[in-house]
Amino acid sequence: DAGVIQSPRHEVTEMGQEVTLRCKPISGHDYLFWYRQTMMRGLELLIYFNNNVPIDDSGMPEDRFSAKMPNASFSTLKIQPSEPRDSAVYFCASSASRTTRLYNEQFFGPGTRLTVL
Amino acid sequence: QKEVEQNSGPLSVPEGAIASLNCTYSDRGSQSFFWYRQYSGKSPELIMSIYSNGDKEDGRFTAQLNKASQYVSLLIRDSQPSDSATYLCAVNPSGAGSYQLTFGKGTKLSVIP
Repeated sequence: DAGVIQSPRHEVTEMGQEVTLRCKPISGHDYLFWYRQTMMRGLELLIYFNNNVPIDDSGMPEDRFSAKMPNASFSTLKIQPSEPRDSAVYFCASSASRTTRLYNEQFFGPGTRLTVL
Repeated sequence: QKEVEQNSGPLSVPEGAIASLNCTYSDRGSQSFFWYRQYSGKSPELIMSIYSNGDKEDGRFTAQLNKASQYVSLLIRDSQPSDSATYLCAVNPSGAGSYQLTFGKGTKLSVIP
């Protein structure tokens, strides 16, 4: 299995620009999570999906952030407009539901390091 | 607010010693507990999961859970320099259908050759 795939791995942009981060979960996993990691705040859950439906977006910091999952193999996290304080590493993770042995065990992608100048 | 607390470290241990990493959580109804290892610049990697009170061993790693004390720990025996990383404790909070994990901020471990 290829694991969780994220792109791009690095993104440098200027304040005010739109940023789109992409994620492909592990095949067969029906949960997808978007996290943000900073030194100050650690690993924070932004939003998660089950069967392509957003379940909890209470961690999304503000309306500038949006996430979609149009199908089981693809999700995007968009920031528009971006600000310097959005600079962080963004991780996507996926997991399988409790019908499988490995429920709740989340597998992380390599992350996207975002720098907003 | 459901919280997961860890000592940020750094925790320094000599090669070959036992490293002991600790974690406390606030949600008494939590059911699932995980330890992730994160090397600098890399993504978190699941190394241990534990669901019931007691010890669970996997190679050099032992996870210990005490739900009454709301405490979970990770022991690393025969520590190696390659174990140097940040270790994140994660807890699945209570609530039907809750698949979220709440992460602690991690403990940085340094194994000195």
